[in-house]
Amino acid sequence: SAVISQKPSRDICQRGTSLTIQCQVDSQVTMMFWYRQQPGQSLTLIATANQGSEATYESGFVIDKFPISRPNLTFSTLTVSNMSPEDSSIYLCSVLEGPVKYGYTFGSGTRLTVV
Amino acid sequence: RKEVEQDPGPFNVPEGATVAFNCTYSNSASQSFFWYRQDCRKEPKLLMSVYSSGNEDGRFTAQLNRASQYISLLIRDSKLSDSATYLCVASQGAGTALIFGKGTTLSVSS
Repeated sequence: SAVISQKPSRDICQRGTSLTIQCQVDSQVTMMFWYRQQPGQSLTLIATANQGSEATYESGFVIDKFPISRPNLTFSTLTVSNMSPEDSSIYLCSVLEGPVKYGYTFGSGTRLTVV
Repeated sequence: RKEVEQDPGPFNVPEGATVAFNCTYSNSASQSFFWYRQDCRKEPKLLMSVYSSGNEDGRFTAQLNRASQYISLLIRDSKLSDSATYLCVASQGAGTALIFGKGTTLSVSS
């Protein structure tokens, strides 16, 4: 399966600032997604990162707050903008590289704390 | 109503026990189903896909009932290393994102 490198693995940020998270895959993948996992909760989809076009956001998530780039089939970034303590969470990228039945692979996550 | 619902537990069982997790999904258009395992402070990892015919992988058996929109996971002969959160997951098919349940926590003790 694909190997995903997600950076940074953790960060502590001041409120009002922005953080960009990178997701690098060792092979070309068709689909890339960004999820958020808040403390004690399960994963919630933020958006689907589309190569060469604007990301598709889920209800409750907007581009101004979570701009996403996907310049090619192996790389994507998620920016958490104008952060507040409520943004403290784990952010994970996920990829689908083949048939759906083989499941999706996740990056190791970025643990963000906003103070 | 959440799209994927599962009993959060925790399930506390002794080594060697058999434990079953249940999950229901609300979107009848869902086509693919999975069980993921998530260890504390780690990313989710695929445990197994779930097929209509049911499938087994060693001590783990997954079942899908499309009519009832119900998914199950059976773990036999529980090991200490099975302690984790088990996530029931659905998707509408190729190219669509995963929808996660809240997870069921399993703790296996000696």
